Amino acid sequence: DIQMTQSPSSVSASVGDRVTITCRASRDISVWLAWYQQPPGKAPRLLIYSASSLETGVPSRFSGNGSGTDFTLTISSLQADDFATYYCQQAHSFPLTFGAGTKLE
Amino acid sequence: QLQLQESGPGLVKPSETLSLTCTVSGASISASSPYYWGCIRQPPGKGLEWIGSVYYSGSTHYNTSLKSRVTISVDTSKNQFSLSLRSVTASDTAVYYCARGAAASGLISWGPGALVTVSS
Repeated sequence: DIQMTQSPSSVSASVGDRVTITCRASRDISVWLAWYQQPPGKAPRLLIYSASSLETGVPSRFSGNGSGTDFTLTISSLQADDFATYYCQQAHSFPLTFGAGTKLE
Repeated sequence: QLQLQESGPGLVKPSETLSLTCTVSGASISASSPYYWGCIRQPPGKGLEWIGSVYYSGSTHYNTSLKSRVTISVDTSKNQFSLSLRSVTASDTAVYYCARGAAASGLISWGPGALVTVSS
């Protein structure tokens, strides 16, 4: 199975800040990586797929980058709605695997 | 607009079978590749764990650590898919989610989730 390692596990930030979260795969997954946002008590929402493609309706302040084993999710200017937990997930092959999550607070 | 809704018992006794049904509306569950249907769970206060996925053809893929206890199947006549998890223990207590995914695109649409508690 492909292991996904996210860092940091939590990050403190303020409205207007720029935040970057990293995700590392245990082997080459090309660009087959997705990012999700999960507000407290709600279901996850797909933000980015194929490492850098923005899902329909997702604000442009979210961006993804990377290929191979190293990936990043950047929020350029934090808004109040962005305080949530973020997960990466490899979509390269089954079994699908998630990172442990990054709580933005 | 695709919608998914989980339905389940809420409470299951240890050693019994957890059964969860996912009802799909706004799209046909018979949609062909690249779409698949999946189940994911989240224990209280913890991260997401993919359980397994099924294509409308019936082809399945399962989490390595759960595959001896899991079956996911499709019922095209009801536009539903179902999760069966056998021999449950307290560690199977979680919010269970249904989702639709696409090859290489991740899990695109999610249901609201259903809490299932394993307790006697």
